[in-house]
Amino acid sequence: QKEVEQNSGPLSVPEGAIASLNCTYSDRGSQSFFWYRQYSGKSPELIMFIYSNGDKEDGRFTAQLNKASQYVSLLIRDSQPSDSATYLCASNPPAAGNKLTFGGGTRVLVKP
Amino acid sequence: GAVVSQHPSWVICKSGTSVKIECRSLDFQATTMFWYRQFPKQSLMLMATSNEGSKATYEQGVEKDKFLINHASLTLSTLTVTSAHPEDSSFYICSAKTGPTGYTFGSGTRLTVV
Repeated sequence: QKEVEQNSGPLSVPEGAIASLNCTYSDRGSQSFFWYRQYSGKSPELIMFIYSNGDKEDGRFTAQLNKASQYVSLLIRDSQPSDSATYLCASNPPAAGNKLTFGGGTRVLVKP
Repeated sequence: GAVVSQHPSWVICKSGTSVKIECRSLDFQATTMFWYRQFPKQSLMLMATSNEGSKATYEQGVEKDKFLINHASLTLSTLTVTSAHPEDSSFYICSAKTGPTGYTFGSGTRLTVV
C-alpha cells in the first residue's frame, strides 16, 4: 500500500464550479500535509499546508484534514481554466524524517 | 520568500556523457536538499537526500555511482548524471526545506539523452 494515494483523474469540471480532490494516507503518525499544483513541464508550487483537523481556507482554496479517517482533501471554488494542472498531495510521515512522500497526483481539467 | 535557483532548465546530451545540475539557495542556507526525478505523467520520485558536508543518502534502487550528489556548501547542491543513457531522460527537480511548513522547489531540469 502506498503511503499517499490519490485518484489520477482526469477530474473534469466546468468553469466556475467546485473541484474536489481527495487524498488518503496510511501512516497514522503523519502530522503535516501539503497540496502542490504542478503545471505541465514545471516544478510543483505550494498551494496549501495543513496540520490541524478541520478546514483551512486560502482564497479560492480550502484544505480539509480528517486524521481519524486519514484523508485530506482540497476544494477549489470558482474553478478557472488556469486551475487546470496536476495537484499533488504530500505528507511528512515521522519515519521519513524531513522527506516528503507524494501521491500520484490528480489531473484537473477546467473547461470554459 | 525562499528561492532555489536550478540550472540548467533543460539540457540535451549524448549517450555516455555526464551532465551536472546545480541548485542554489539564494536567500537562505539549505542544510538539506532533496533530489527528485519525474517521468512523464508520473509523480515525483525521491532519488536522494543531500546534507551539507556529508554523504548523500540514496533511496532504494537509485545507483549512487551513477547519480553523484555533492553538497559542498550551505547554498549549493549538485547532481551529476554520469554516463547518461536515454533511459535517464527525465525531469529532475531539487527541493530544500525552508522551515516547519516550507519546502521550496527549484524550477526543474529537463534532461534529454540522445
